Amino acid sequence: EDKVVQSPLSLVVHEGDTVTLNCSYEVTNFRSLLWYKQEKKAPTFLFMLTSSGIEKKSGRLSSILDKKELFSILNITATQTGDSAVYLCAATNYGQNFVFGPGTRLSVLP
Amino acid sequence: GAVVSQHPSRVICKSGTSVKIECRSLDFQATTMFWYRQFPKKSLMLMATSNEGSKATYEQGVEKDKFLINHASLTLSTLTVTSAHPEDSSFYICSARDAQASVVETQYFGPGTRLLVL
Repeated sequence: EDKVVQSPLSLVVHEGDTVTLNCSYEVTNFRSLLWYKQEKKAPTFLFMLTSSGIEKKSGRLSSILDKKELFSILNITATQTGDSAVYLCAATNYGQNFVFGPGTRLSVLP
Repeated sequence: GAVVSQHPSRVICKSGTSVKIECRSLDFQATTMFWYRQFPKKSLMLMATSNEGSKATYEQGVEKDKFLINHASLTLSTLTVTSAHPEDSSFYICSARDAQASVVETQYFGPGTRLLVL
């Protein structure tokens, strides 16, 4: 059965800290890994990764995929209170099915 | 960017009644829409994949007679929770895949519908 695991499930940091969120997956016919940020409502897209070792960056956020070890990390540097959210990772296969992880709840304190 | 709307955003109903939730892609055509359910502090659980003009594909454990899905047009899918019970109370989110997108993973999420069954 396909599954996605995220760690930690919950994290509390102070503004300015750097955090690393982890996502590991076991998906048959893996195609891509996606990161989303979910605040109060629907998730918003952050990154899609398909190739190993190529870092994607967007401002203070960056992510990388390791297809050999079957994991991805999402880094957030110089965290701000607005980064507080649940971060979801999802893996897709060539059947275009999405399997979501449980999410990491990040709380950034002022 | 592409917009997906859901209606209603919040609904409270009595046990035993049916509730219909609409999911619309506002500025693109969506041959495929997905329906998710999310429990408090939990991740998204895919319930079913809805393809325009054909029957929805339900995930294991999801009762298709209870959660009726209709995808009658390229911009509208509906989820009807029939004979709702308190345990159906949840946050329901739809997403739509842009038929014209070059990347098949491109899906846009609706804002979600919070259902409370009394």
